[in-house]
Amino acid sequence: DQQVKQNSPSLSVQEGRISILNCDYTNSMFDYFLWYKKYPAEGPTFLISISSIKDKNEDGRFTVFLNKSAKHLSLHIVPSQPGDSAVYFCAASDSGAGSYQLTFGKGTKLSVIP
Amino acid sequence: SQTIHQWPATLVQPVGSPLSLECTVEGTSNPNLYWYRQAAGRGLQLLFYSVGIGQISSEVPQNLSASRPQDRQFILSSKKLLLSDSGFYLCAWAVGQGNIQYFGAGTRLSVL
Repeated sequence: DQQVKQNSPSLSVQEGRISILNCDYTNSMFDYFLWYKKYPAEGPTFLISISSIKDKNEDGRFTVFLNKSAKHLSLHIVPSQPGDSAVYFCAASDSGAGSYQLTFGKGTKLSVIP
Repeated sequence: SQTIHQWPATLVQPVGSPLSLECTVEGTSNPNLYWYRQAAGRGLQLLFYSVGIGQISSEVPQNLSASRPQDRQFILSSKKLLLSDSGFYLCAWAVGQGNIQYFGAGTRLSVL
């Protein structure tokens, strides 16, 4: 059973436009959510996170929105740049579980077209 | 600042051979340590995690094992590799109450 789902395996966006990456989760115990960016043959890099007590967190061009009632979060990148082309992973954790495990989605490959 | 080292970057091994991948973390104490695998076209699968020396939790039963001989050292091993062990192996660390995990550069393992 996949507890974190990224239903779009790929996304293409024109440079300068907004990129919206979506993520859904099923486990209501998840209370912390993260986005990672991964280039080929490299480890994932932490991008931005959000706690369940918030519904929005912003860091420069990156904004994460959380809709707890819908168990949905999204990552907005504005404006999109060619260097943003990578695979983006959504991850979630239940901080009460004590082991600080992250559950990852399968990723969405973003291509930003110059 | 904290850094994580993972080696080798690439490894080609025959079926049935042993495996040892090493991961070390610098600049922090008592980190949680993790081993993940990313198979081709798939997401990140947690294999093992450790919250202290000698303490290992396994998430997926398989022919792999992990050990934590020192506070900041995490080793992934196998006595006999299978073709299905091919993939991209990632080590990660985290500390304290934070849930953010920081990843190493990964090892590309090809079992032939």
